[in-house]
Amino acid sequence: DQQVKQNSPSLSVQEGRISILNCDYTNSMFDYFLWYKKYPAEGPTFLISISSIKDKNEDGRFTVFLNKSAKHLSLHIVPSQPGDSAVYFCAARTNTGTASKLTFGTGTRLQVTL
Amino acid sequence: DTEVTQTPKHLVMGMTNKKSLKCEQHMGHRAMYWYKQKAKKPPELMFVYSYEKLSINESVPSRFSPECPNSSLLNLHLHALQPEDSALYLCASSQDGPGLTYGYTFGSGTRLTVV
Repeated sequence: DQQVKQNSPSLSVQEGRISILNCDYTNSMFDYFLWYKKYPAEGPTFLISISSIKDKNEDGRFTVFLNKSAKHLSLHIVPSQPGDSAVYFCAARTNTGTASKLTFGTGTRLQVTL
Repeated sequence: DTEVTQTPKHLVMGMTNKKSLKCEQHMGHRAMYWYKQKAKKPPELMFVYSYEKLSINESVPSRFSPECPNSSLLNLHLHALQPEDSALYLCASSQDGPGLTYGYTFGSGTRLTVV
């Protein structure tokens, strides 16, 4: 049961343009959503997070939008740079009170071309 | 110090060996995690320690044995592994409070190969 899904396995964007990565989820109990960037054989690097009570969070070139009614979130990167080329994972947190955990989506490989 | 340090970076072990993976953080985080990532798949949670107590075990086989000696250290003891256990093992830590502005911090992982 994949509770967090990224339906686009790959995305190619020209340098300077906007990259939009999408994520859908099924569990209404998620309280935080996060985006991570990952290179092969390295750990995920945190980019940005959003609380389930917000609908937008912005940090520099990165903006995350949350649509709770649609159970959908997206990451916008503007402007896209070649160094942004990596695999991007959406993740969602479940907090039981005694512990919390992240559930990751399936990932989207972003390639930013010159 | 804003890092999670994992050792070793690479490990090759036989199916009868016993080995351990180590993870260390000095950010004062009270929650620590082990994740496993296979090629072209997302990281999957194995264990969660909260305040040095095992809080979540995601039905992981007993050949994987976690240990949290103190709030800064997390170990994963390996014994009688199978070739299908070959993967990237990631350690992470977090403040585990109500807010999550800075996310979980991940180490760079241990690439494990079981032969």
